[in-house]
Amino acid sequence: DIQMTQSPSSLSASVGDRVTITCQASQDITNFLNWYRQRPGKAPELLIYDASNLETGVPSRFSGGGSGTDFTFTISRLQPEDIATYYCQQYADFPFTFGPGTKVDFK
Amino acid sequence: QVQLVDSGGGVVQPGRSLRLSCAASGFNFRNYGMHWVRQAPGKGLEWVALISYDGSNKFYPDSVQGRFTISRDNSKNTVYLQMDSLRPEDTAVYYCAKDCPAGSCFAAWGQGTLVTVSS
Repeated sequence: DIQMTQSPSSLSASVGDRVTITCQASQDITNFLNWYRQRPGKAPELLIYDASNLETGVPSRFSGGGSGTDFTFTISRLQPEDIATYYCQQYADFPFTFGPGTKVDFK
Repeated sequence: QVQLVDSGGGVVQPGRSLRLSCAASGFNFRNYGMHWVRQAPGKGLEWVALISYDGSNKFYPDSVQGRFTISRDNSKNTVYLQMDSLRPEDTAVYYCAKDCPAGSCFAAWGQGTLVTVSS
């Protein structure tokens, strides 16, 4: 199975801050990498697909990059509704696997 | 807009069975693969099953292979997850999710249904 790691596991930031999360795959997954936001008590939402493509309707403050084994996810200006846990997920091979998540909260 | 409504969760004893349902609307259901994803209490996300748009292909992780079966009825816009030989470690919120038009992702999610396996 392809193992996904994320760092940091949690972070605290202020409204308007730039936030960056990294995701690493245990083997080359080219760009078969998606990012999700899960607000407390809610279902996850797709934000970024294929490493860098913004899902329709998702605010432009979210962006993603990377390829191969190393990926980044950035929130350019943190908003109150971004308090959530963020997950990366690979679909290069079965079984599809998620990173352990990065919990973002306010300072 | 896309809507997925999960149902069928509950409390079940170890070794017993349960069937989850996911009713879809707002998109052409028969054109999309469908997934189930679960989340144990306080834990991360785990992909559980994928069924192709026409039901001809099904995929599972080893953790549920041979115990869970995904199926769909395109005439009813519904996807199912039959869970047999349930174990305490299957306790989780189960979400159905719509696949992406290209590649694969979880483009839209149901609200989830809680399955508790306990004696």
